[in-house]
Amino acid sequence: QQQVKQSPQSLIVQKGGISIINCAYENTAFDYFPWYQQFPGKGPALLIAIRPDVSEKKEGRFTISFNKSAKQFSLHIMDSQPGDSATYFCTRGADKLIFGTGTRLQVFP
Amino acid sequence: NAGVTQTPKFQVLKTGQSMTLQCAQDMNHEYMSWYRQDPGMGLRLIHYSVGAGITDQGEVPNGYNVSRSTTEDFPLRLLSAAPSQTSVYFCASSPQGSGQPQHFGDGTRLSIL
Repeated sequence: QQQVKQSPQSLIVQKGGISIINCAYENTAFDYFPWYQQFPGKGPALLIAIRPDVSEKKEGRFTISFNKSAKQFSLHIMDSQPGDSATYFCTRGADKLIFGTGTRLQVFP
Repeated sequence: NAGVTQTPKFQVLKTGQSMTLQCAQDMNHEYMSWYRQDPGMGLRLIHYSVGAGITDQGEVPNGYNVSRSTTEDFPLRLLSAAPSQTSVYFCASSPQGSGQPQHFGDGTRLSIL
C-alpha cells in the first residue's frame, strides 16, 4: 500500500502568516503529487501539483517543495488569508489518488 | 457545464437496505471514480472506470458494486447497507492521461442506522 502521511492534523494561523503542511510518502516509484483543497460541504478541488523531477513549484501564494531523497513534500501558503480556511489534502497518483489524512487550516483575522 | 453532479445529497438507510448513488458528468471525461471520506482517514478509492464498459476495484471495494454503461454516468450500488458504510461519498472524473486533475462532485452524505 502506497501510503501518504500528512501533518499536522490541524493548523491555526493568523492572517498574513505562513501556513506549512508536510507530507511523507513510501517507495520511490515515479509519481505525481497533487494537493487538493476542500471547503465544508464541497468536494475537493485541485490546488496545485508537482512531479518528482521538479523540486519546487509556485502558483501565487501557494508553493510546493519536493525533497525526493527524503521522500517528503510540503505546501507553503504565504500571506495566509481567512478565505484559505479549508481542509488540505496531499495526494499521490495520477488517476487513482492516494490521499493523506488531511489538515484543517483556520486563518484568523 | 454542470461538472460532476451527485444525487442525492443526503440519505438515511436502515441496515440491509439497498440503494444507488448517482453520479453524472458532462465534460466527456473517460475516467470516473468513487471515493469515501471518513473522519481522520482522508478519501479512499472504492471503484474506478477508465471508460464505458470497463470498471475495476480500488482500495475499499467490498460491499459496493459499479457499472459504466455510458461515458456520462457512473452509479455506485450498495446491495445490503451496513453501519460501517456510513460515510460521505464523492464521485470524481478526469480526462484520460497521467496528471490530469480530478473533478469532484459535492458528495452524498449517507447514514446507515
